[in-house]
Amino acid sequence: RKEVEQDPGPFNVPEGATVAFNCTYSNSASQSFFWYRQDCRKEPKLLMSVYSSGNEDGRFTAQLNRASQYISLLIRDSKLSDSATYLCVVNGAGRRALTFGSGTRLQVQP
Amino acid sequence: ETGVTQSPTHLIKTRGQQVTLRCSSQSGHNTVSWYQQALGQGPQFIFQYYREEENGRGNFPPRFSGLQFPNYSSELNVNALELDDSALYLCASRSNAGGTGELFFGEGSRLTVL
Repeated sequence: RKEVEQDPGPFNVPEGATVAFNCTYSNSASQSFFWYRQDCRKEPKLLMSVYSSGNEDGRFTAQLNRASQYISLLIRDSKLSDSATYLCVVNGAGRRALTFGSGTRLQVQP
Repeated sequence: ETGVTQSPTHLIKTRGQQVTLRCSSQSGHNTVSWYQQALGQGPQFIFQYYREEENGRGNFPPRFSGLQFPNYSSELNVNALELDDSALYLCASRSNAGGTGELFFGEGSRLTVL
């Protein structure tokens, strides 16, 4: 079983749609959680950290459910520029590495 | 731009050869880590360097080795290249070695092994 699992997609949605991605992680001792965004043939960039209380940044909302060991990302009012791969990232307690999921590809269509 | 620079951006090698990839970390960042990203996969952790010493390693064989220099720049060396080593190699820097906080990635070195 992979440490971090994501639905690879692709998710094809029209502009203006709301889309949600989920991610599950296997290490119950994980302490830090992130969503990174990766454009085609580019490097990953931090989209947002995920906090236990949930957090929002404009059109993006991240939630963490520790009991079920899953993380979600909600994108409202999708834009063409949101088209990218979204990587779920987990950092275990005391671990120096970030563990990345394989990513979920989003394609927003006009 | 993240301030993390990598070289070369692209290179082609043949099986059995050796390769050295280079990375300059963002100013003020003393921790550098290397990731391998195969096509269609997420980045996989290779190792991390903090103050010139390796302080974390992923599930990669010993033919993957590295260095960090006093100015915090870093090298990744891969010996005896195999076809499966073809991937994007990403260098990332952070301001602390404890495993939390944002990673700043370079644009990567795309290695093709023939």
